[in-house]
Amino acid sequence: DAKTTQPTSMDCAEGRAANLPCNHSTISGNEYVYWYRQIHSQGPQYIIHGLKNNETNEMASLIITEDRKSSTLILPHATLRDTAVYYCIVRVDEYSGGGADGLTFGKGTHLIIQP
Amino acid sequence: DAGVTQSPTHLIKTRGQQVTLRCSPKSGHDTVSWYQQALGQGPQFIFQYYEEEERQRGNFPDRFSGHQFPNYSSELNVNALLLGDSALYLCASSSQGGWLNEQFFGPGTRLTVL
Repeated sequence: DAKTTQPTSMDCAEGRAANLPCNHSTISGNEYVYWYRQIHSQGPQYIIHGLKNNETNEMASLIITEDRKSSTLILPHATLRDTAVYYCIVRVDEYSGGGADGLTFGKGTHLIIQP
Repeated sequence: DAGVTQSPTHLIKTRGQQVTLRCSPKSGHDTVSWYQQALGQGPQFIFQYYEEEERQRGNFPDRFSGHQFPNYSSELNVNALLLGDSALYLCASSSQGGWLNEQFFGPGTRLTVL
């Protein structure tokens, strides 16, 4: 079973920031938080990951609470092309022997960007 | 640089038949994972191949088997097909010891069992 809880769906207006929450209250100290998204009819795509510090890349920002029990993925200026299912995943990092293990997906959040 | 490719794109089979799906990993990757995604669900991990051996397996019956070739490409075989095997089958490649062990996914093969 997935170790994360996400809302089933969310709406966001185009051009606004989309904030997607994820609860992972049972996360272990050596587990990272990963985000993937799946645009309709495509395979999932890696977005960002983090351990305990906030992270930012060209696609998104990841905010992880101090107790690491929850996190928020932020798409700063959502466009219609960001409409997708977003998956929050926790997994052991590669340096703790996790290797390239299979990912455990939940049902994710269906984000709909409204024009 | 080609990404992960899968064939065929779509496939229709009948109950009891056998099917083989194929995957070519991204250049430079040596590990292939297979996932099953039923309609409206997230992908479910089937198994992973590295160095031509099954390295890790999810909760799938023995009807699901695979193979990895010396060029790192992989096949997924499903025997005695059931209606419930209808799904999108995704292949993902990665590199052991590579950055994040990030998995790159292909577009999938849509299998319909009638």
